[in-house]
Amino acid sequence: QVQLVQSGAEVKKPGSSVKVSCKASGGTFSNYAVSWVRQAPGQGLEWMGGIIPMFGKANYAQKFQGRVTITADESTSTAYMELSSLRSEDTALYYCAKEGTRALSVWLDPWGQGTLVTVSS
Amino acid sequence: SYVLTQPPSVSVAPGKTARITCGGDNIGSKSVHWYQQRPGQAPVVVIYYDGDRPSGIPERFSGSTSGNTATLTISRVEAGDEADYYCQVWDSSSDHRVFGGGTKLTVL
Repeated sequence: QVQLVQSGAEVKKPGSSVKVSCKASGGTFSNYAVSWVRQAPGQGLEWMGGIIPMFGKANYAQKFQGRVTITADESTSTAYMELSSLRSEDTALYYCAKEGTRALSVWLDPWGQGTLVTVSS
Repeated sequence: SYVLTQPPSVSVAPGKTARITCGGDNIGSKSVHWYQQRPGQAPVVVIYYDGDRPSGIPERFSGSTSGNTATLTISRVEAGDEADYYCQVWDSSSDHRVFGGGTKLTVL
């Protein structure tokens, strides 16, 4: 059973960057994709992008293209999401989640506990 | 990009049946997944691949899809079912994962 544990809360200044980690245990990390999803306060879920550690190539949502970088370190079974040029609207809970796949479909299960990123001057 | 539309809220009395819809262009041709998010908790998948339930999810939860609408049905609703529910699909044209805006289920 895969478990995902994320790094702790962050407070960042506008214009800076944040890097959130997601460490997996159980399962074979290289064999499945990891997605990143964010949730602004009182808002819905928003997919940011994902990566398959075995291939190392990330796929990003259009909205975050150019500002987000998703990487994975197979040696430590850890995925990372780095968001740059932070602004107040980036204040949100950031989740990682393992992807499940079956015949032309993808779902997210399980999820990490979430990492709160607060952007404030 | 592909868009999923959910009603902002649904209310139901305990013991009754709740139906939460998710609209999308020809969504019947896609597999739809549903997540439950209780306040202060991470989302949990309750239905995946249209109608499969992960272990631990009660049989009261079921999913169906037809035409332009997918539906999450919760039978014999309990107070503990009060939560936000999100639908999600995989958009093959972009290889993106797409979420609906979410529906707040209130148990009266």
